[in-house]
Amino acid sequence: DVKVTQSSRYLVKRTGEKVFLECVQDMDHENMFWYRQDPGLGLRLIYFSYDVKMKEKGDIPEGYSVSREKKERFSLILESASTNQTSMYLCASSHRVVGTQYFGPGTRLLVL
Amino acid sequence: QQQVKQSPQSLIVQKGGISIINCAYENTAFDYFPWYQQFPGKGPALLIAIRPDVSEKKEGRFTISFNKSAKQFSLHIMDSQPGDSATYFCAASMEGSGNTGKLIFGQGTTLQVKP
Repeated sequence: DVKVTQSSRYLVKRTGEKVFLECVQDMDHENMFWYRQDPGLGLRLIYFSYDVKMKEKGDIPEGYSVSREKKERFSLILESASTNQTSMYLCASSHRVVGTQYFGPGTRLLVL
Repeated sequence: QQQVKQSPQSLIVQKGGISIINCAYENTAFDYFPWYQQFPGKGPALLIAIRPDVSEKKEGRFTISFNKSAKQFSLHIMDSQPGDSATYFCAASMEGSGNTGKLIFGQGTTLQVKP
């Protein structure tokens, strides 16, 4: 079974803190993705990576950065958390040319 | 042109009824159309997918209908059950080498099936 794990299920942070969200996949997938999910807005792509050390901006990259030093691990970084970044964050992975994405369980982040 | 528009935003159906969720897209280069199902507290999971060379695909009680000329596709859940209560997302992408495997998601539909 494909497994995508995320480092935390729930996080509470203060405004201005640096926040790290980690994602690990065990299927040797080339592609990894970070989304945020908000009611009525669906899944919006923040960043994705198609190879180690490669990254591309998604639809809403502002306020976020990413790191992919190893194939199985993709990190999302909030440099200075703000209240409007309170959301559910979902990580996904897929093979390069096959569209099926496998999602982690999500991290619900609350920024106070 | 990269958007996928999904409707309705929420849906309430009686047990045994048919649930229908619709999606529309603009980019004719899309060639892969999956539906994802998400239960509370879980990440989305692939439910069923279709490619534009067929007009319909059925897996158990779930059917995708695809209308290439209208650039629309829909999910039909026959004999809806309370266990089908979840959020459903349609999506679209361009597959094949040279493409990144990015999915464009619709806004999501929250389905409640009443016993």
